[in-house]
Amino acid sequence: QTVVTQEPSLTVSPGGTVTLTCASSTGAVTSGYSPNWFQQKPGQAPRALIYTTSNRHSWTPARFSGSLLGGKAALTLSGVQPEDEAEYYCLLYYGGAGVFGGGTKLTVL
Amino acid sequence: QVTLRESGPALVKPTQTLTLTCTFSGFALSTSTMCVTWIRQPPGKALEWLARIDWDDEKYYSTSLKTRLTISKDTSKNQVVLTMTNMDPVDTASYYCARIRRLQSGSYIDFWGLGTLVTVSS
Repeated sequence: QTVVTQEPSLTVSPGGTVTLTCASSTGAVTSGYSPNWFQQKPGQAPRALIYTTSNRHSWTPARFSGSLLGGKAALTLSGVQPEDEAEYYCLLYYGGAGVFGGGTKLTVL
Repeated sequence: QVTLRESGPALVKPTQTLTLTCTFSGFALSTSTMCVTWIRQPPGKALEWLARIDWDDEKYYSTSLKTRLTISKDTSKNQVVLTMTNMDPVDTASYYCARIRRLQSGSYIDFWGLGTLVTVSS
């Protein structure tokens, strides 16, 4: 059973920078896993942020960026805003089937 | 404008089969690169990927649930149907459908439905 691991929780100050990571139990994450990132606020459906490692959707603010970092997929928020407080999920694809990470609860404090 | 809407029973009994329908607009599942996926989320827990069907009828299932899941499409109705057999209270969750684009560079979800809450209880 493939497991995708994220930090359970992170805290960042307004205006600060934070990096969330996404690791695979099968080894290093590469672009071949098509890393996707999503934001979910309480009571809402998830919203797509980043696709295929580093591409922003047209609605994704420029302060969100995706990359590969140390064998993991990474989501970096620069100049964090209070409204960025949310749960963040990564999704990796394994031969067409997807596996979500457990999510990172980001607190802006 | 792409929209997706999930529909199905709000309550099912243990051992019953759940049938959910995703009705979408703004794209055609017969068009190259278009796919639809199902995802669920138990209350207070993480997202779980369930299944996916592509424009060319390729199908993919969660490894842990594949014996219980069947996904199908009706392109004339713009619908994708997911069935899950032998429902259990642990299957209580919000069930979402979403659109996937499958490109040479990889696959990605862009649009989500609002989700539908399914409770499994006798």
